Amino acid sequence: EAQVTQNPRYLITVTGKKLTVTCSQNMNHEYMSWYRQDPGLGLRQIYYSMNVEVTDKGDVPEGYKVSRKEKRNFPLILESPSPNQTSLYFCASSLDSLRGELFFGEGSRLTVL
Amino acid sequence: SQQGEEDPQALSIQEGENATMNCSYKTSINNLQWYRQNSGRGLVHLILIRSNEREKHSGRLRVTLDTSKKSSSLLITASRAADTASYFCATDSEKLVFGKGTKLTVNP
Repeated sequence: EAQVTQNPRYLITVTGKKLTVTCSQNMNHEYMSWYRQDPGLGLRQIYYSMNVEVTDKGDVPEGYKVSRKEKRNFPLILESPSPNQTSLYFCASSLDSLRGELFFGEGSRLTVL
Repeated sequence: SQQGEEDPQALSIQEGENATMNCSYKTSINNLQWYRQNSGRGLVHLILIRSNEREKHSGRLRVTLDTSKKSSSLLITASRAADTASYFCATDSEKLVFGKGTKLTVNP
């Protein structure tokens, strides 16, 4: 089954404790992206990747890192989480480009205390 | 870099009625997409309409695009309780940008 898998789905952590949210897709998509969704602010892009070893900042990259060492994986790293990073995070992938149909993961709800 | 804006923000209808949601945008686009999100779940792609298309259908969904007015509408016919969700438009100019969504409630 074609899918984008994120882990963990839910996480409560404390300020400053590094964490990684993993994202994996099994559709051989070149393009992957991370979004955060906050009430009243909609979906905002954090980082995206056009291909292996190619990543770029989205609209709200501060406080986040990503890597794309393999085509299928695109982890989101919070080196020192802060409460303003409490949000619902989505990973998405696309076959042709970031402008084509996006396939989304089920989301990772992160709470930073 | 907000591009598309959906209207209304919330819509409540009875089962069997039609639901219409609108999306307006500011700059020229390559295509426009509609997505659906069930509460707290991942977004699901519904339909993509290119800038040179005026109307597109998929099952009970009908999407129109008016590039002169920079607007699109999503019509769901004969709505069902299971259509209850948030609906987002996403516009592609330099990159894909999502609106804030319309929350649709279909009452049984």
